[in-house]
Amino acid sequence: GAGVSQSPSNKVTEKGKDVELRCDPISGHTALYWYRQSLGQGLEFLIYFQGNSAPDKSGLPSDRFSAERTGGSVSTLTIQRTQQEDSAVYLCASSLPRATYGYTFGSGTRLTVV
Amino acid sequence: QKEVEQNSGPLSVPEGAIASLNCTYSDRGSQSFFWYRQYSGKSPELIMSIYSNGDKEDGRFTAQLNKASQYVSLLIRDSQPSDSATYLCAVNLSNMLTFGGGTRLMVKP
Repeated sequence: GAGVSQSPSNKVTEKGKDVELRCDPISGHTALYWYRQSLGQGLEFLIYFQGNSAPDKSGLPSDRFSAERTGGSVSTLTIQRTQQEDSAVYLCASSLPRATYGYTFGSGTRLTVV
Repeated sequence: QKEVEQNSGPLSVPEGAIASLNCTYSDRGSQSFFWYRQYSGKSPELIMSIYSNGDKEDGRFTAQLNKASQYVSLLIRDSQPSDSATYLCAVNLSNMLTFGGGTRLMVKP
C-alpha cells in the first residue's frame, strides 16, 4: 500500500481482556517495527521483524505481549489480560532492509484499558 | 549514557527566528541519521535524513552532521507557529533506528 496502515485506530477494552492490533506495512518493506508511546513520553521499542522472523524481542514488556508476522507482510501485536498500564499509543513502522532510508510510521492505535 | 541524547526542552523561539535542535550519539559506527517531526496526537514523520559530514538543506530545514564530534543538528529558518512540535533525532545503529527522547519546540507568534 501507499503507507503503513494500522487498525483499529482506537480501541477501548476492559481490564483482563485480550486485544489484537494490526499493522500492514508498505509494500516491499521487509522490516517491521512495533513501538509504544505513553502520553507525553518517548518511543518505547517493543519488537522488530525482518521478514517473518523476529531477531529482536527484547523490548516486549512482559509475557502478556506477543507478536507475529505472516507472509512477510501483515503483523499482529497481541496483548493478553490487558492492564491499565498497557494504555498507550501503539505505533508500527516499516522500512527497507537495514533501515537505510529510515522508517515510515503508521498513524497508530490508541489503546485505552478501563 | 543513552545512545542518542536530546535536550527535552521546551525550546521556545519567536516567529521568524532560527530554531536550533541538537542531538548527540554514542556509536561512532553510525552511518545514517534522521530527523522526525511529531505533532501532538500524531505519529512521527520523517523530515530530514543525512549521511555524510556537513550540511544538507531542504527548504527552511538544514541538517548538520559532524561525525568526529558525534553530533547532529537541525536548523529551522524563519520558524512558524506550525513548526511547533516535538522533533526526534534517530540514528541508525546495527541496521535499526535508535531514537532520542525528542525536543519540544514552541514557536510563539
